[in-house]
Amino acid sequence: AQSVAQPEDQVNVAEGNPLTVKCTYSVSGNPYLFWYVQYPNRGLQFLLKYITGDNLVKGSYGFEAEFNKSQTSFHLKKPSALVSDSALYFCAVMGGPYNFNKFYFGSGTKLNVKP
Amino acid sequence: NAGVMQNPRHLVRRRGQEARLRCSPMKGHSHVYWYRQLPEEGLKFMVYLQKENIIDESGMPKERFSAEFPKEGPSILRIQQVVRGDSAAYFCASSPRQGGGTGELFFGEGSRLTVL
Repeated sequence: AQSVAQPEDQVNVAEGNPLTVKCTYSVSGNPYLFWYVQYPNRGLQFLLKYITGDNLVKGSYGFEAEFNKSQTSFHLKKPSALVSDSALYFCAVMGGPYNFNKFYFGSGTKLNVKP
Repeated sequence: NAGVMQNPRHLVRRRGQEARLRCSPMKGHSHVYWYRQLPEEGLKFMVYLQKENIIDESGMPKERFSAEFPKEGPSILRIQQVVRGDSAAYFCASSPRQGGGTGELFFGEGSRLTVL
């Protein structure tokens, strides 16, 4: 069964510092991994995805994520956090190609960036 | 190009009433997905529909919940005889075809149901 785990409910970081939001996954077969961001009272916005290729994936708003197959991780990173990055971040795994009905989300990590 | 449109954004119902949530996918998208987000929780898949067909409803509660995506008009998620536990944010997402495009789902802003 496909699943993702976000071990941290909340991450606090000072503006200008690097940030990491952790995600580990469990899939059978090749993983299709995604990060989404949710601002208060809004829908989810796509940040980036890993399907195949380079392990370091670059996405929107300066975010990037590193796929690590041996550690089954897909951590979200940004070199320098902004206060406006404060939001709820979701990691997701898709159960195989073309299966959006098998799109499993983690429980979310709240990122707080303090000035 | 308008995004995924959901309405109402907020809905208040008393226990036992019916709730109808509507979703118009992005133009050109024929696949619709409904997710539920309970407070302080992630999103849970409910149902996947194409025009006039329910493809996967494995995440739908067995009773009181139903969904449709007619040939004309928006997709509708219907909750009959609502209970307090139905209070949640319901998100609709669409994609152009199964796994098509750039591979991500496009989400609406959500409909927040409160059951008194």
